[in-house]
Amino acid sequence: SQTIHQWPATLVQPVGSPLSLECTVEGTSNPNLYWYRQAAGRGLQLLFYSIGIDQISSEVPQNLSASRPQDRQFILSSKKLLLSDSGFYLCAWSEDRWIGELFFGEGSRLTVL
Amino acid sequence: RKEVEQDPGPFNVPEGATVAFNCTYSNSASQSFFWYRQDCRKEPKLLMSVYSSGNEDGRFTAQLNRASQYISLLIRDSKLSDSATYLCVGFTGNQFYFGTGTSLTVIP
Repeated sequence: SQTIHQWPATLVQPVGSPLSLECTVEGTSNPNLYWYRQAAGRGLQLLFYSIGIDQISSEVPQNLSASRPQDRQFILSSKKLLLSDSGFYLCAWSEDRWIGELFFGEGSRLTVL
Repeated sequence: RKEVEQDPGPFNVPEGATVAFNCTYSNSASQSFFWYRQDCRKEPKLLMSVYSSGNEDGRFTAQLNRASQYISLLIRDSKLSDSATYLCVGFTGNQFYFGTGTSLTVIP
């Protein structure tokens, strides 16, 4: 069966510090991968999605970046965090087909102080 | 206009009640729809998929009305454990569009 894991689960970072969140999927190949952010009391905002290695689309202008160095690995990064980067970050995957269900990792809760 | 819109609630219902959530979507090309459940401070988890007119799974029934562009979720015989936020999701191409969620609290 397929599984998805992301880490770390919780982190508190000062403004201006770097960020790296990692996500891996097991049990499938060539998945579509996604990074979402959920601010407190708000809906999910798509940040990045990837249909393959080194194929990444950004949905919103921001100081975050994403990379996909391997088929089932997706990394979210920032060189300098802003207060507004605080939120609940969710990695997700779907099958590489036109009707796909989306499955989420456990989430990473980031607080920028 | 948002791709997917749903009433944020909150819905507070007694245990055993039937409750229905509605969700509207703006893109008539949307191919499929999903209902997710999200507990506080947790990730969303897939509850039901809706590819045609509807789907039923135990106490949960989802219906899709393409002519009116809405999806509904019906929960019968509500349990305390049903308390959560329910997210409506539309799928178009490679993109998933999320509603902001409807909060449900089932009261003893």
